[in-house]
Amino acid sequence: LAKTTQPISMDSYEGQEVNITCSHNNIATNDYITWYQQFPSQGPRFIIQGYKTKVTNEVASLFIPADRKSSTLSLPRVSLSDTAVYYCLVGGSGNTGKLIFGQGTTLQVKP
Amino acid sequence: EAGVVQSPRYKIIEKKQPVAFWCNPISGHNTLYWYRQNLGQGPELLIRYENEEAVDDSQLPKDRFSAERLKGVDSTLKIQPAELGDSAVYLCASRYPGQGFGEQFFGPGTRLTVL
Repeated sequence: LAKTTQPISMDSYEGQEVNITCSHNNIATNDYITWYQQFPSQGPRFIIQGYKTKVTNEVASLFIPADRKSSTLSLPRVSLSDTAVYYCLVGGSGNTGKLIFGQGTTLQVKP
Repeated sequence: EAGVVQSPRYKIIEKKQPVAFWCNPISGHNTLYWYRQNLGQGPELLIRYENEEAVDDSQLPKDRFSAERLKGVDSTLKIQPAELGDSAVYLCASRYPGQGFGEQFFGPGTRLTVL
């Protein structure tokens, strides 16, 4: 499974848009990109998944360039409640569900 | 829809004692996972079940860890004997058949402290 690299931590302010970029240089052809969010004392929560170009849901957007060697999770107008750890994961649909988490990015939203 | 249920939420034991964690996945989710999460790290997979069959247990320390999912629904993870290094959060997750591999539903976890 492809290894991912993302910033250890980021700070933002309420109301701002936050972009967290993840590098996955050795992504395979059948790999998907998935992002999870984790609050303290809770299990991770699925946010969004994509293969290429742009995916948007009610929570976030995921931007994937043509070479797919990186991806950017975009959180619009963050609030204090978006303070959490965000994990970027890469893997293929055929790997029967094995997720490999890195250290994640700790996002701190300030008032 | 009820989420993944885990119990207990917290457990404190002395080293060399046994401990067990219980997980009830979301109804209809055939795939069940156990993860361990150390402080400041992401979760790491211990074992994956497809119904009652353990199909990936390569990361499970089999000398002291065991797991079962007898009827293909709820599952138990056991440690015997526990060591100081086993202190961590043990997470259970489940996935619906045909769901994208990336979308797993996690429980709140059991925080184990070994003294």
